[in-house]
Amino acid sequence: QQQVKQSPQSLIVQKGGISIINCAYENTAFDYFPWYQQFPGKGPALLIAIRPDVSEKKEGRFTISFNKSAKQFSLHIMDSQPGDSATYFCAASMTYKLSFGAGTTVTVRA
Amino acid sequence: EAGVVQSPRYKIIEKKQPVAFWCNPISGHNTLYWYLQNLGQGPELLIRYENEEAVDDSQLPKDRFSAERLKGVDSTLKIQPAELGDSAVYLCASSVAGANTGELFFGEGSRLTVL
Repeated sequence: QQQVKQSPQSLIVQKGGISIINCAYENTAFDYFPWYQQFPGKGPALLIAIRPDVSEKKEGRFTISFNKSAKQFSLHIMDSQPGDSATYFCAASMTYKLSFGAGTTVTVRA
Repeated sequence: EAGVVQSPRYKIIEKKQPVAFWCNPISGHNTLYWYLQNLGQGPELLIRYENEEAVDDSQLPKDRFSAERLKGVDSTLKIQPAELGDSAVYLCASSVAGANTGELFFGEGSRLTVL
């Protein structure tokens, strides 16, 4: 049973465009929501994370928006670059257990 | 600083054969995780260690999978016997004990193909 639902499965965006990935969860005990970036043949790497008491967090071109009442959160990649082409996983954590979404493969066309 | 090191990177075996994967975590990281990643899916936790103690192995298929972390540093994950459905990437990750529970550092993974 997947505890974090992620969409879309894949997306294609033009260079300079905005990529948006959405995630939803059910368990309100989750207390930390990280996003991981994974390139082919590599392990996932932490990109950005947010706590549920914050509605938005921005780091460079990456922004997390968090809606606690709707139990949804999203990743926005502004000014997408070809180097951003990767698979992105949202995740939710509680008591040392990290549950990952199924991933979104982002392709940025030059 | 060296990251999480895993070996082998790739392994091809016949079904029913045994296989073992090794992981060396980041120095000073007391918490070590083994994750399973099937193609096109997110990682799923198999086992978590705090030092040498397995504190969460509820998702480890204990009939064929085993793991150990002697001396609280390196860890080995073993499958015996391997089945076709075990073909996947096995990821090792580590974190500082007591750190925010979502900040894991992953290795590059060991890709297993069972024929």
